[in-house]
Amino acid sequence: GENVEQHPSTLSVQEGDSAVIKCTYSDSASNYFPWYKQELGKRPQLIIDIRSNVGEKKDQRIAVTLNKTAKHFSLHITETQPEDSAVYFCAASRENFNKFYFGSGTKLNVKP
Amino acid sequence: NAGVTQTPKFQVLKTGQSMTLQCAQDMNHNSMYWYRQDPGMGLRLIYYSASEGTTDKGEVPNGYNVSRLNKREFSLRLESAAPSQTSVYFCASSDDPQRGEKLFFGSGTQLSVL
Repeated sequence: GENVEQHPSTLSVQEGDSAVIKCTYSDSASNYFPWYKQELGKRPQLIIDIRSNVGEKKDQRIAVTLNKTAKHFSLHITETQPEDSAVYFCAASRENFNKFYFGSGTKLNVKP
Repeated sequence: NAGVTQTPKFQVLKTGQSMTLQCAQDMNHNSMYWYRQDPGMGLRLIYYSASEGTTDKGEVPNGYNVSRLNKREFSLRLESAAPSQTSVYFCASSDDPQRGEKLFFGSGTQLSVL
């Protein structure tokens, strides 16, 4: 099955700085890559996703990039704010397949 | 619009006891999932149901059983709880995961097995 690895496990940045979280996947057939944000004590919620037919997607301060050849994708958060502090999970899935495989999570701490 | 509703929110069991976690969604989604979340391990799939009447094992199914009671409800049963099953459990649903439709999660159940 698919194996998704996520780095770093913890990340601490100063407010206003950028944060980058990286994930690699093993199954070259994976073609859908969502990112979920989980605030303390809350449920995970989708913040952005990308499909394999595009290399980059942006939504305000958040962007995701995908390198299919290297089988890795990254989450970029610019101008970080304290409310960005949370655990972020990457995931991978593929067409005609009902499973999502998650990375182990990155705890992001944005210091004011 | 409630989305995905899980009960209970907290539960403490003794080793060997049994319990059922309930999950219901009101979004008319076809697929439903049970995940467990452990520190440093991310979200691991226990069981999933691609449609009403079908269930399949995920990454960590041992010690669990599931029932897709109807399109709305998907329950997870621990027949004989063990301390290794202490975890936070999330139910989720998706309209069409084959097209990469996003997961909607319930609020979670924190389970402790003593």
